[in-house]
Formats: sequence, structure tokens, C-alpha cells
Amino acid sequence: ETGVTQTPRHLVMGMTNKKSLKCEQHLGHNAMYWYKQSAKKPLELMFVYNFKEQTENNSVPSRFSPECPNSSHLFLHLHTLQPEDSALYLCASSQPGQGALRYGYTFGSGTRLTVV
Amino acid sequence: AQSVTQLDSHVSVSEGTPVLLRCNYSSSYSPSLFWYVQHPNKGLQLLLKYTSAATLVKGINGFEAEFKKSETSFHLTKPSAHMSDAAEYFCVVNQNYGGSQGNLIFGKGTKLSVKP
Repeated sequence: ETGVTQTPRHLVMGMTNKKSLKCEQHLGHNAMYWYKQSAKKPLELMFVYNFKEQTENNSVPSRFSPECPNSSHLFLHLHTLQPEDSALYLCASSQPGQGALRYGYTFGSGTRLTVV
Repeated sequence: AQSVTQLDSHVSVSEGTPVLLRCNYSSSYSPSLFWYVQHPNKGLQLLLKYTSAATLVKGINGFEAEFKKSETSFHLTKPSAHMSDAAEYFCVVNQNYGGSQGNLIFGKGTKLSVKP
């Protein structure tokens, strides 16, 4: 285990469903990230949170809604997804600011999402 | 703007032979560079990082990488491949806006196969 825990590991949902992905870290990090990993495409940064505040939204459709109630937890709420949203969703955390440069990010194992 | 190019999408080696995974970067500022490894159905694990200290960086599992500014390269090497090294490897540059944190920019990945 890396210290970043993602649940569930696998999720199958219909296009009309509402579900949430959860990410939790107890590394003392204050920056958290959502990435999308699709087959044959580079990792795509979706959202960045620093000290619970969203600092970046990388033009993500509104059917993805992040929530960061505290520095240890990050959620990704999903609703009315499309089949092309099927992917591995990775959560990461890091020290904020220059700490990310020095130590990099710690990733969770991801949630494999299939939209049917 | 920062970017990273992994020159090979797939590399195949025999067990016990050297590994070379190539990465070139472009950066307007002094970059931080990372290599991450992803085993099947797992998250990304940090292998090693360069953050403007020694240009030859040693990482976990016998991997190392050399930062060559004149060639804008950060190739990953290992003297002798092991079956457990079969995975996908990502070269990453930190999008550093002249001192602020920025975000990680991922290459498209190189899949390493190791033949017995």
C-alpha cells in the first residue's frame, strides 16, 4: 500500500446512475489530485486541490464533480456518464508547493470504472 | 511550456540483459523529472526523481537515470532486467512556473516486456 487508498477498486455503472469514488490519505499531504487514465492516452489531470481548495479544473465536464471536505479525503461524484468515460481513475497526493517538486506525488491504485 | 516525449511505446528485452527506456523533455525552467512505474491493475509508483542535485539518480529496484541538460534527456536504465520489471514506465516533468508548484506532465508511457 502506498498510503493513498482508493475505493472501490472496480465500479460498473449505467449511464443514468450516480456514484462516487473515494480517495483517502494519511501522509500529511495537503495537495490532492484526480487523474484519468484511458487506454492508449497519456494520463490526464482532472482536478487539483490545495488545502481543500480547488486550484485547477482541467476543462472537465460537469458530470464529474469533485469534493474535498478536508486535506485527507477527496471524492469524485459521477452522474450521467458516457461510455467513453470508462477508464482508470487515479488519485494522488503530495506536499503542496515546492514539496511536490522535491518528493513527487503518491498515487493510489485507482478505480477501474466501466460505464455501460 | 514543459513537455515530455517517450521515444518508444514498447520495449522488449530478455531477462538478464540491460534495459534502456528513453525520455526527452522540454522545459523553460529548471525541470524536476521523475520516472514512475505502473504494474498491471496498479497505481503509479515513484521509481526515482531528479531535482537539480546529482545528475545521476539512483532509484528503487536497481534502476537509475541520468539527467543530461545538453541533450534534454532523462533516460532510464537498469543493468540486468528481471521478469518482475515487466510494467509500464512513465517519464514525468514538473510543470514548474518559475518557482510555483505547477503540475506533473506525463509522457505516454513505455511498456516494458521481459522475455525469459
